[in-house]
Amino acid sequence: GAGVSQTPSNKVTEKGKYVELRCDPISGHTALYWYRQSLGQGPEFLIYFQGTGAADDSGLPNDRFFAVRPEGSVSTLKIQRTERGDSAVYLCASSSGTGHGYTFGSGTRLTVV
Amino acid sequence: GDSVTQMEGPVTLSEEAFLTINCTYTATGYPSLFWYVQYPGEGLQLLLKATKADDKGSNKGFEATYRKETTSFHLEKGSVQVSDSAVYFCAWSYNTDKLIFGTGTRLQVFP
Repeated sequence: GAGVSQTPSNKVTEKGKYVELRCDPISGHTALYWYRQSLGQGPEFLIYFQGTGAADDSGLPNDRFFAVRPEGSVSTLKIQRTERGDSAVYLCASSSGTGHGYTFGSGTRLTVV
Repeated sequence: GDSVTQMEGPVTLSEEAFLTINCTYTATGYPSLFWYVQYPGEGLQLLLKATKADDKGSNKGFEATYRKETTSFHLEKGSVQVSDSAVYFCAWSYNTDKLIFGTGTRLQVFP
């Protein structure tokens, strides 16, 4: 596609529920990133995929968070047993490689009530 | 540890004023440096970048110079417009690795 697409744009869920957030990167971009942006803060790195594999998952806050990219294109961020502190905007970005910068999606605003 | 420090906002200016938003970084080696902008209700957009020391990134009248000796990448614009009102994020990365962002600086420009 022309840009990075994230769905849904907004998600409200109850504490303790499971959620999935989807990212569709720019076609042909091999690198895909997930970030989390809390109110008034800069984006915080979660995980980075190169192709199908997670090249760096050091930013995932705990084992409730998991992400996959099974065919090297679309990625899903999965959050189990959601907590109110998980409320944030989850951003996805993709890149074609070194020096080409990143293109961000518009994000998914997750609200845990 | 790896980090980015930006001046706190909000920065409030009148139209046509000169803008500086300070940014310093802590990193090992020589990362690429970026400024991203987030307009109200929109996603993050790349504003400009510099990939090596003494490079100057520029776009839409904004400029920033990669200063290795002071580990800085200050954003400047000679004459701001109301439409420049947004949140500006300084960031760095190594090649295609993760971006490290600052906390953002909100700019408000009044007519």
